[in-house]
Amino acid sequence: DTEVTQTPKHLVMGMTNKKSLKCEQHMGHRAMYWYKQKAKKPPELMFVYSYEKLSINESVPSRFSPECPNSSLLNLHLHALQPEDSALYLCASSAWGGQPQHFGDGTRLSIL
Amino acid sequence: GENVEQHPSTLSVQEGDSAVIKCTYSDSASNYFPWYKQELGKGPQLIIDIRSNVGEKKDQRIAVTLNKTAKHFSLHITETQPEDSAVYFCAATVNNYGGSQGNLIFGKGTKLSVKP
Repeated sequence: DTEVTQTPKHLVMGMTNKKSLKCEQHMGHRAMYWYKQKAKKPPELMFVYSYEKLSINESVPSRFSPECPNSSLLNLHLHALQPEDSALYLCASSAWGGQPQHFGDGTRLSIL
Repeated sequence: GENVEQHPSTLSVQEGDSAVIKCTYSDSASNYFPWYKQELGKGPQLIIDIRSNVGEKKDQRIAVTLNKTAKHFSLHITETQPEDSAVYFCAATVNNYGGSQGNLIFGKGTKLSVKP
């Protein structure tokens, strides 16, 4: 079992819906990440949080809004998504200033 | 920026044979090289990693070698089993050990199939 827990495992939403993805880790890691993975492709970095502050935004559209309420939790708020946003969304965490990154099993998102 | 090339894209072996996956990187500053295994419906799982001050690392049937001069590193799986079937990703990054860290740059992946 992975030490990074993501919910929900699957999500289907319409283009006008608002939903949120949740990620939780209890390893004491202070860096948390969101990745997007399309089928048969490697993960692509979206956001990095360090000590609950956004440190990297890889030019992600504003319809994706990350939030880090505390050192164990990471959310990704979704609004007005497009069909091309359908993908596996992965969360990862690491001790800041060090590797490795540990991944959760992701949320499979489908946009109708 | 860093670029990681991974070969082959698909690899099929018989159970019990060895499998080798190779990656090359472009940024000589990269000093941390993890390998991830991703099974269907799962997230990437770290299986082994190597830092630039080490040339080889082993963990049971898995080993990784690093050639800093040639800027390439390889994953070796011996005595393959059907449960080794998955997609394997190599990655590279600059790790400043307590300071800021670079982003993981992934290879495109290798789909390994182990036939019983």
